[in-house]
Amino acid sequence: GQQLNQSPQSMFIQEGEDVSMNCTSSSIFNTWLWYKQDPGEGPVLLIALYKAGELTSNGRLTAQFGITRKDSFLNISASIPSDVGIYFCAGQLRALQGSQGNLIFGKGTKLSVKP
Amino acid sequence: SAVISQKPSRDICQRGTSLTIQCQVDSQVTMMFWYRQQPGQSLTLIATANQGSEATYESGFVIDKFPISRPNLTFSTLTVSNMSPEDSSIYLCSVVSLVVGYTFGSGTRLTVV
Repeated sequence: GQQLNQSPQSMFIQEGEDVSMNCTSSSIFNTWLWYKQDPGEGPVLLIALYKAGELTSNGRLTAQFGITRKDSFLNISASIPSDVGIYFCAGQLRALQGSQGNLIFGKGTKLSVKP
Repeated sequence: SAVISQKPSRDICQRGTSLTIQCQVDSQVTMMFWYRQQPGQSLTLIATANQGSEATYESGFVIDKFPISRPNLTFSTLTVSNMSPEDSSIYLCSVVSLVVGYTFGSGTRLTVV
């Protein structure tokens, strides 16, 4: 089945540092999403990407949808302690591949920030 | 985005019993999904909840174990039947629509003892 390869699995950084994580796949996706999940909570949408090559920012977060629609990265600038959590990439397959709107998730990147 | 109310938020259940999880959305949505997140893992789609017809299950998930209802465009239930400790997970409701995009409920943390 389709898979999203997300890396790194975990990151330990100092407050103020920039963070970068990415996801790749052999499948082409219609939509690419980045979520953050805090303990005991459901995933919260950070950024949604719909067009190949699209670069979108949300505050200190920036994400890009790869030209081939098979990859994406998420950058966090000037990290702060509340950035701690698990970040998931998720993709919706293109309609021709039988997508019904459901998402395929990466395995997540666990971010730890030292004050 | 849509506001999703998922109940219960957590429960501890005895082996062999069943638990029904409710998902209520504050607006009509086209698509509703149920996901499972096992401890320390990513999210895996259980099924698509179809309004007015039987749910569409993903490989590895069956209706007898995870019966789903969706009587209207704002509500769905997932039942975890004949539970075993392996069913201990977070169960998440998700909705998709052109208006609200992709939104998740806060999840139901299930522990089976």
